Amino acid sequence: NAGVTQTPKFQVLKTGQSMTLQCAQDMNHEYMSWYRQDPGMGLRLIHYSVGAGITDQGEVPNGYNVSRSTTEDFPLRLLSAAPSQTSVYFCASSYRGGFAFFGQGTRLTVV
Amino acid sequence: ILNVEQSPQSLHVQEGDSTNFTCSFPSSNFYALHWYRWETAKSPEALFVMTLNGDEKKKGRISATLNTKEGYSYLYIKGSQPEDSATYLCASPGGSQGNLIFGKGTKLSVKP
Repeated sequence: NAGVTQTPKFQVLKTGQSMTLQCAQDMNHEYMSWYRQDPGMGLRLIHYSVGAGITDQGEVPNGYNVSRSTTEDFPLRLLSAAPSQTSVYFCASSYRGGFAFFGQGTRLTVV
Repeated sequence: ILNVEQSPQSLHVQEGDSTNFTCSFPSSNFYALHWYRWETAKSPEALFVMTLNGDEKKKGRISATLNTKEGYSYLYIKGSQPEDSATYLCASPGGSQGNLIFGKGTKLSVKP
């Protein structure tokens, strides 16, 4: 069982570069979300999706874009990376009302 | 965006001690309350999902209670062990849409 798969695990970007963090789940979950983890801040919701074609903003959406063209995939795009986006990113998926299952995380450093 | 708060921020106990910590959430428009265990360098793992006022859930030495009328949940660990050292997160959906909003967590350290 693959569960939630995130790639890459580590990434270093230069300020202004763009990149996409990939997230895929094979559990046919309706809901998918992206979080960032910063010291002392816990997990903060960036964007989420309640189904293919439907996305919405979370607590800290600025600087990030998402799309959900299929049930399985929920990529997170950084269009112009900034040092403030240095963080650990987690993707999660769940059924409505169910536990969230998390990916392994992506450690991103923007220099 | 609803506000989920946890206390204390950190906790240091000796092996064998029992401990508990608190999660507070808005009592209006309540949908569910989740607890997760998060070990360093790993991903959060689900412990409990509770939906009904008065719910009590138990998993081994860990248990949780829920009071939706006053907007709090307690997580209890009986006879703490070093392997219980982790950050414990609670979360609540923002409405019924499943966009989980997390508290900042309680970091538990259990000394042998």
